[in-house]
Amino acid sequence: QSALTQPASVSGSPGQSITISCTGTSSDVGGYNYVSWYQQHPGKAPKLMIYEVSNRPSGVSNRFSGSKSGNTASLTISGLQAEDEADYYCSSYTSSSMGVFGGGTKLTVL
Amino acid sequence: QVQLVQSGAEVKKPGASVKVSCKASGYTFTSYGISWVRQAPGQGLEWMGWISAYNGNTNYAQKLQGRVTMTTDTSTSTAYMELRSLRSDDTAVYYCARDGSYDGAFDIWGQGTMVTVSS
Repeated sequence: QSALTQPASVSGSPGQSITISCTGTSSDVGGYNYVSWYQQHPGKAPKLMIYEVSNRPSGVSNRFSGSKSGNTASLTISGLQAEDEADYYCSSYTSSSMGVFGGGTKLTVL
Repeated sequence: QVQLVQSGAEVKKPGASVKVSCKASGYTFTSYGISWVRQAPGQGLEWMGWISAYNGNTNYAQKLQGRVTMTTDTSTSTAYMELRSLRSDDTAVYYCARDGSYDGAFDIWGQGTMVTVSS
């Protein structure tokens, strides 16, 4: 199972919006609405930010939103804040009943 | 509160085995699964496999088939991941994560266990 494709890095200024893409295939991202997104600060465990493409767990800011079109899912962060600077990973369920992650995207808040 | 607490760091020689534990608290252990995810230094997340805490069913990543075994002890609400025939590229932080609150997502994570493989 190949990793999902994410841009290595994105950046934005405070208050701006950014979008991170996550491209897979019809056997994972395109085939199921089971895409999730994780935020990871250095030295910390990942934190679930979005599940089932576009749902936020309790306690996650509504500045974070998710969507999907075909084989590509996206995470949008609006009103960027300094604390959003972190690595972001997408994940999907696959047709082999397994999980697969993206390679990760480093978000820099300028 | 709901949490997963993992065992401490390990240093192993190539060819040895390691067994990492993940103790759950604050929820009904058998109502969820546990997935294991690892992260090599400076690298991304890698899904290793999943175990149902309800019936012990497992599903392992193809590249680890034959080297990894995931088990649970429901009497102590603890999940275990054993990796055998360790190689230097198995050096990583190993995480357990709760699986089942939402389809395909991992909502609670352990703090991570560093496993170093070095001669």
